Amino acid sequence: NAGVTQTPKFQVLKTGQSMTLQCAQDMNHNSMYWYRQDPGMGLRLIYYSASEGTTDKGEVPNGYNVSRLNKREFSLRLESAAPSQTSVYFCASSDLEGGREQFFGPGTRLTVL
Amino acid sequence: KNQVEQSPQSLIILEGKNCTLQCNYTVSPFSNLRWYKQDTGRGPVSLTIMTFSENTKSNGRYTATLDADTKQSSLHITASQLSDSASYICVVSQQGAQKLVFGQGTRLTINP
Repeated sequence: NAGVTQTPKFQVLKTGQSMTLQCAQDMNHNSMYWYRQDPGMGLRLIYYSASEGTTDKGEVPNGYNVSRLNKREFSLRLESAAPSQTSVYFCASSDLEGGREQFFGPGTRLTVL
Repeated sequence: KNQVEQSPQSLIILEGKNCTLQCNYTVSPFSNLRWYKQDTGRGPVSLTIMTFSENTKSNGRYTATLDADTKQSSLHITASQLSDSASYICVVSQQGAQKLVFGQGTRLTINP
């Protein structure tokens, strides 16, 4: 099993450009999450999907949109990138079993110039 | 407000020495507490989970403790190794909530 995979690993954008970060999990988990991690601030939740067909805002949703394409895939879209969105983005998945342990992907390092 | 505070922010010790990382939380009602290890450039990985009724749990050289009355947890690392260099994140789950509450992490550096 690959666990949680993310693409791309690195990306550089210019201000105003758009892009989609892809995430897929092969653990048959119902819930999926998108986080951003900035130095000194820890992980902050952007959006999450408790189950296929549902999405909800997290702590820092402004400037982002998400799509739960199916049970396996959860994408994060930046419509008009801003320098403040320079960060490392992590996707995670979990299920009720195991006390909702979240399994994280390897991350996408995004730089917005 | 549900919060998780970790200390110290960073710690440098020599290989072979022991260390203890602290986590205080105000999350209520409490469900469980996890310690995650995050190596540089990688996603966090769960080390151990503590539920309300558990006081101590070990995973190899890692021992986690939980005091639910004072809402404190610690992670003790014994006989540190260079591979222990990483960030350690305390994460608390609230009963009935989908979202987790993350601490800011402790950056641990092990020097030879």
